[in-house]
Amino acid sequence: EAQVTQNPRYLITVTGKKLTVTCSQNMNHEYMSWYRQDPGLGLRQIYYSMNVEVTDKGDVPEGYKVSRKEKRNFPLILESPSPNQTSLYFCASSRDRRMNTEAFFGQGTRLTVV
Amino acid sequence: AQTVTQSQPEMSVQEAETVTLSCTYDTSESNYYLFWYKQPPSRQMILVIRQEAYKQQNATENRFSVNFQKAAKSFSLKISDSQLGDTAMYFCAFTIIQGAQKLVFGQGTRLTINP
Repeated sequence: EAQVTQNPRYLITVTGKKLTVTCSQNMNHEYMSWYRQDPGLGLRQIYYSMNVEVTDKGDVPEGYKVSRKEKRNFPLILESPSPNQTSLYFCASSRDRRMNTEAFFGQGTRLTVV
Repeated sequence: AQTVTQSQPEMSVQEAETVTLSCTYDTSESNYYLFWYKQPPSRQMILVIRQEAYKQQNATENRFSVNFQKAAKSFSLKISDSQLGDTAMYFCAFTIIQGAQKLVFGQGTRLTINP
């Protein structure tokens, strides 16, 4: 089954404690990206990757890091989380960067930073 | 700047009724794709319908159809014979073709279908 898998689905952490949200896709997609969803703002792109070792900033990259060492994995790293990073996070992948084909989304990670 | 505006934060209709969700967008590009995504309480993002901007014919998918007005930059979603399972948050989004690297989303409309 074609899917994007995120872990964990729920996470509560304290300010400053480094965390990683994993994302893996089994469709051999080149393009992957991270979004955060906040009430009244919709989804906004954090980072994206067009292929292995190729990553770039989206609209709201501050406080986040990513890496793309393998085609299937695209982890999101919060080196020093702060309360304003409390949000719902989605990883997405698509066959190519133009995203004219369907984008596949993970199940979402609800992050709370206290 | 590329933006999407959904002016209806919440809507509520009775089962079997028809409902239309509004969406306007802003871009200087001429080639792009438009989407409606559904997010039920499970949080899964589900593609409902897609429209290519170069096509004048409005896309349809079973009970879902769009009214695409390119000049007005409007892209509304019509749900016919609404069902309880249509209860969800709906997001309008678009992506430009040239240099596209992201989906630009609206704020979302929370739709409730009442029995």
